[in-house]
Amino acid sequence: EAGVTQFPSHSVIEKGQTVTLRCDPISGHDNLYWYRRVMGKEIKFLLHFVKESKQDESGMPNNRFLAERTGGTYSTLKVQPAELEDSGVYFCASSRGASGAYEQYFGPGTRLTVT
Amino acid sequence: AQSVAQPEDQVNVAEGNPLTVKCTYSVSGNPYLFWYVQYPNRGLQFLLKYITGDNLVKGSYGFEAEFNKSQTSFHLKKPSALVSDSALYFCAVRDGGYQKVTFGTGTKLQVIP
Repeated sequence: EAGVTQFPSHSVIEKGQTVTLRCDPISGHDNLYWYRRVMGKEIKFLLHFVKESKQDESGMPNNRFLAERTGGTYSTLKVQPAELEDSGVYFCASSRGASGAYEQYFGPGTRLTVT
Repeated sequence: AQSVAQPEDQVNVAEGNPLTVKCTYSVSGNPYLFWYVQYPNRGLQFLLKYITGDNLVKGSYGFEAEFNKSQTSFHLKKPSALVSDSALYFCAVRDGGYQKVTFGTGTKLQVIP
C-alpha cells in the first residue's frame, strides 16, 4: 500500500506570505495527525483529525494556522501570514485505529523556510 | 502531562559493536512506548512499540528495546551496529488511551566503520 505523502517537500517563502501544505494519508486511515519539528528540538503535536472532524487541536500555535480535512481524505495546513518562527519541518501521520496502541505512519515531511 | 527525555544528542559506536540509545519517559497512566527512525531526507519510520506484555520488544532491522517500569526507561538496543544504522532516532510515548504522541528531541546515531 502507498505510504503517507506530503506536498511540497520544501517551501521557501517570505515573512507575511501564505503557504499551504498538503497531506495524503494511507488509504483507509481515518486518523490523521500534524506535527512540527523546529530545528534541533522535539517533534511537537499540532492536531488530530478523525475523518473530517478535529479531535484535538490543542497543539496549534495560534490562529495563523488553519487545518482542514474536507471529506475525510487528504488534509491541508495553511499558515497565513507566515512568521520567521514558523520555519521547521511539518510532518503528517496517519493511523488505522483510534486506540493509543496503534502506531502512526509518517510522511516524509515538508521543510518550511520563512525568510 | 506526559514527557520523554533522550539525554544524548549523539551516540557514536563502532561498526559491529552493540549500541544503546537511551530514553526515559513520564506519564500518569499506562505508557505506550514507540521508537521511530529518520534517515536523511526521509520521514519517520516505525521501529517497534511496547504496549503490554514481555518487557523485551523486538522490532525492525534487528533492533530491540527493553521496557523498565521501575526506571521509567525504554532504551533502544542492537547487538551489532551497522553503518547503515546511522540515522536520527526518536523515542515517543502515549499516555494510555490518549491519542497525542509526545516525542523526545531525537538522538543522532553515528556508526563508525
